[in-house]
Amino acid sequence: GQNIDQPTEMTATEGAIVQINCTYQTSGFNGLFWYQQHAGEAPTFLSYNVLDGLEEKGRFSSFLSRSKGYSYLLLKELQMKDSASYLCAVRDSNYQLIWGAGTKLIIKP
Amino acid sequence: GAGVSQSPSNKVTEKGKDVELRCDPISGHTALYWYRQSLGQGLEFLIYFQGNSAPDKSGLPSDRFSAERTGGSVSTLTIQRTQQEDSAVYLCASSHRTSQTSTDTQYFGPGTRLTVL
Repeated sequence: GQNIDQPTEMTATEGAIVQINCTYQTSGFNGLFWYQQHAGEAPTFLSYNVLDGLEEKGRFSSFLSRSKGYSYLLLKELQMKDSASYLCAVRDSNYQLIWGAGTKLIIKP
Repeated sequence: GAGVSQSPSNKVTEKGKDVELRCDPISGHTALYWYRQSLGQGLEFLIYFQGNSAPDKSGLPSDRFSAERTGGSVSTLTIQRTQQEDSAVYLCASSHRTSQTSTDTQYFGPGTRLTVL
């Protein structure tokens, strides 16, 4: 079967750095997405990786290793507004997105 | 124009009733997706439209669920004889999916919160 694993919940301090990991086992791989979802709101697109390596976008970076079936989302200079769930999704060989359950990130002052 | 819109934002219904949920995608987006999200859970894929046709209906939970898309734009998800386990947030997303190799980023609507009593 297809599986996306992420930690259920993480806590970090305002101003610090946090890394959210995602491991996947899917039938084929055609890209990995990270989305942010604030409570009661729709997911919003953060990043897309299809090749190995690090993609940096402001305070957020996303890393991919296809050989290890592994990605992480790195958030720097954490702000209170970063408190949200972070969803990892992998596009499989049928070009459909398989979604992880999401990681709830709690930022403390 | 505007982003993806969905209506109603909230729907409370009695068990056994039928409900219709509407999604208005971003103008020009050819692909449209329906998902379901239960409290604290990830997204569950329901159905995908490319234009007016649905190449992938594999996620529909039962024959009580159906969806259509007309004019390559608005889509309606219909749930017949609703059950309490149908209670969830139903999310719609659209993308400018031009080929299998495109990035195909999905943009989500605000969702419809369905409560079946």
